[in-house]
This record gives sequence, C-alpha cells and structure tokens, in this order.
Amino acid sequence: GAVVSQHPSRVICKSGTSVKIECRSLDFQATTMFWYRQFPKQSLMLMATSNEGSKATYEQGVEKDKFLINHASLTLSTLTVTSAHPEDSSFYICSARDLGGLTYEQYFGPGTRLTVT
Amino acid sequence: GEDVEQSLFLSVREGDSSVINCTYTDSSSTYLYWYKQEPGAGLQLLTYIFSNMDMKQDQRLTVLLNKKDKHLSLRIADTQTGDSAIYFCAESIRTGTASKLTFGTGTRLQVTL
Repeated sequence: GAVVSQHPSRVICKSGTSVKIECRSLDFQATTMFWYRQFPKQSLMLMATSNEGSKATYEQGVEKDKFLINHASLTLSTLTVTSAHPEDSSFYICSARDLGGLTYEQYFGPGTRLTVT
Repeated sequence: GEDVEQSLFLSVREGDSSVINCTYTDSSSTYLYWYKQEPGAGLQLLTYIFSNMDMKQDQRLTVLLNKKDKHLSLRIADTQTGDSAIYFCAESIRTGTASKLTFGTGTRLQVTL
C-alpha cells in the first residue's frame, strides 16, 4: 500500500512554455502533499506544502506565481511550472501524507525530470 | 536552525557493516527518518525513529539516536551490492499545526566486491 505516482516521469519543453506535473496518491487519501526539487547530486529542497481545498504554502524564495500548485482532491495535486526557463530544469519529487497514518510518514513519488531547452 | 549534515561518500566491502552518520541542529524534531534513493528514482523510506527513543532495530538496519549531541546514525549489517544508493536522513519539525521534513545532504554508499 501507500503508493504515490507522478506523471510524467520525464518531460522536455521549450523555454517559455508551461509544464504541468501530476502527483497522485493511489491507495490512500492525502490532505497534505509536498513538492520538492532536487538538483544533481544535491539534497531535496522543499518548495511548497499543498493542502487540499486551500492555498499552498510556499517556502521562502520560491515564486508562487511561477510554480502554481493545485490540490483539488484528496488524491491529486498538480505543480505547473509557468514560463519555464533552463534554470528550472531539475528533478521534481512529490510526497503525500496518509490521512489515516499514525506516524506522519510521507510517501514519495518516483519523481519527474524536467528539462527546459 | 534547520541544517542537517551528512558525510558525502562511504565505500564498504560487500558483507561488511556500513555506518552512515547524520547531525542535525533543531532539537524540536519529533521523528527522524532514513530514506534511500536509487539513481533516477524517488525516495524509499527505510526506517524512522521517534525522538524519545535511543535505538531502533529493523532486520539489517539499526538506528541510533543521541539526542544530546543531535546525532543520528544508520547501521546496515551485511551490506550487499543492492544497498548501493544515496541515503538521506531527515528530521520532522512541527511548525504550527503542520510538520515538514528537512533533508540532509545525502551520503552516497558504494558497495564493492
């Protein structure tokens, strides 16, 4: 159980376009999902916390108008990178917290590699 | 502060024990976690420890927590080639009604024959 999927797994887009990444909890409900980005050989940096039915909470230094987050249901959160530029190329990972979980455990998706050309 | 630090690289021989260390600075951590990341993949939770525990053992994995020194370690017994990956420690910190994870810098474990 506790599977989180992401779609797409890889995406290449041109500079100036927008890209949407989906994060789904497949077998549990998640009121809270998290979006991270990871640069090569570096750690995960939390970008924002996504709460179902309310606005996302962004970490300091993350542009909320550039990284749009929507958490419309208990099983789906989306991250849209708007007007992407090459410096946005990164590995984006989402995680979800099980509503019924006891340990505040986060289950991670497999990640989405974004390349902006 | 929320800095979580790890050594960057560890090389061990197959069959030996591996010990990966982590230091953190926020004493209000509730849970501390160890995650494994294989190349190009997401994170797999290996184990976790509640902040009021000193030790937790789970099959080949032993977690030691020294809360006074803010030091966490992960010991992998009988290390196998399939254990080669990057290992991240993470601390869970409550901020208001929410809690979030802060990850360490990651330790790349290389297992040699």
